[in-house]
Amino acid sequence: QVQLVESGGGVVQAGRSLRLSCAASGFPFNSFAMHWVRQTPGKGLEWVTLISYDETNKYYADSVRGRFTISRDNFKNTLYLQMNNLRTEDTALYYCAREDGDYLDYWGQGIPVTVSS
Amino acid sequence: DIQMTQSPSTLSASVGDTVTITCRASQSISRWLAWYQQTAGKAPKVLIYEASSLKNGVPSRFSGSGSGTEFTLTISSLQPDDFATYYCQQYHSYPLTFGGGTKVEI
Repeated sequence: QVQLVESGGGVVQAGRSLRLSCAASGFPFNSFAMHWVRQTPGKGLEWVTLISYDETNKYYADSVRGRFTISRDNFKNTLYLQMNNLRTEDTALYYCAREDGDYLDYWGQGIPVTVSS
Repeated sequence: DIQMTQSPSTLSASVGDTVTITCRASQSISRWLAWYQQTAGKAPKVLIYEASSLKNGVPSRFSGSGSGTEFTLTISSLQPDDFATYYCQQYHSYPLTFGGGTKVEI
């Protein structure tokens, strides 16, 4: 069955970096676009970024463009999110999600990221 | 960016009730809309895509309708597992955007 397992979250000071990983299994990872979505109690669900199956296309939310980088390793079946220059407003639960025709059909369990000032 | 507005934000209902949640887009998104259900401590789960297509495995008491800027999610005969928060999401254009959520409570 499809499984997405995030890791790499934690507590970090503002201005520092963190890299999230999402290990995928149960489906042909190299055939699907993947997303990161974050959730906070105050702002709800916020889409963060997308990467196409072959890495040729990447899109970012304005709030993270220039600071976050999405990438993938299709040999390791792993999705990444490199987060630099973190801000307190980046504090959230981060989900990786698989895309099926632009909607998100499978989500990981989420990984918390807390950015302290 | 396309803004998605859900109403109501909270809905009180009983087992067996039929409830309807509305989602409005700030501009036409054709039928590029999905509905998700999120229960406490879990990730969102897709129920409906392309406004009215039921995802495999989702009970038929869930239905979606609409096009353009106005959409509805209807849950017929509410079951105990249906008390959750529901979100709409447009995928007409990037950035993908979500509604603010509707909490269906007892």
